[in-house]
Amino acid sequence: KAGVTQTPRYLIKTRGQQVTLSCSPISGHRSVSWYQQTPGQGLQFLFEYFSETQRNKGNFPGRFSGRQFSNSRSEMNVSTLELGDSALYLCASSSRDRGTSGSIDEQYFGPGTRLTVT
Amino acid sequence: QKEVEQDPGPLSVPEGAIVSLNCTYSNSAFQYFMWYRQYSRKGPELLMYTYSSGNKEDGRFTAQVDKSSKYISLFIRDSQPSDSATYLCAMSGRNFNKFYFGSGTKLNVKP
Repeated sequence: KAGVTQTPRYLIKTRGQQVTLSCSPISGHRSVSWYQQTPGQGLQFLFEYFSETQRNKGNFPGRFSGRQFSNSRSEMNVSTLELGDSALYLCASSSRDRGTSGSIDEQYFGPGTRLTVT
Repeated sequence: QKEVEQDPGPLSVPEGAIVSLNCTYSNSAFQYFMWYRQYSRKGPELLMYTYSSGNKEDGRFTAQVDKSSKYISLFIRDSQPSDSATYLCAMSGRNFNKFYFGSGTKLNVKP
């Protein structure tokens, strides 16, 4: 089974520009979550999409948005880029099968998109 | 105060040493406690998880959860150079609406 893929892997943008990142989940997975990873803050949850609907959202400004398509592929958009947006953006997919107590909804991460804002 | 606190390290140990990695948390609603391993230029991968309190062992790895102290640990026995990576703890409530991650501890196992 192919893993989670993210494109592009590396991106350099300048302040004020916007950027779109793409994530293809594992086949059959309907949930896609996005995270921002920085050395200072670690891994921070951005949002989760399930069946084309945003289910949960982290504490990020409205410049960060996303969407999910009918084939479960997801895109994340950041508008009006700031220097502080430089980070590794990770996408994770899961089946969102909650199961019973004791089981886990395992997330599978992609390799990430390294965004540098200059 | 962050929901999950983790010492960023780096932690450097000789091959064969026992490694102890720890996280503290503040939200008593957390039910699932996970450890992820992240190699350089890769995304995190789930190493092991525990539900509620207690211990769980998997090969050289042991995860412990002490909910009364809001403290979790990962022990690595007979550490190998291939264990060199960043280890992240993560936590979630029972319905997995959100995962809260620690900032990660970078581990270097020297041959």
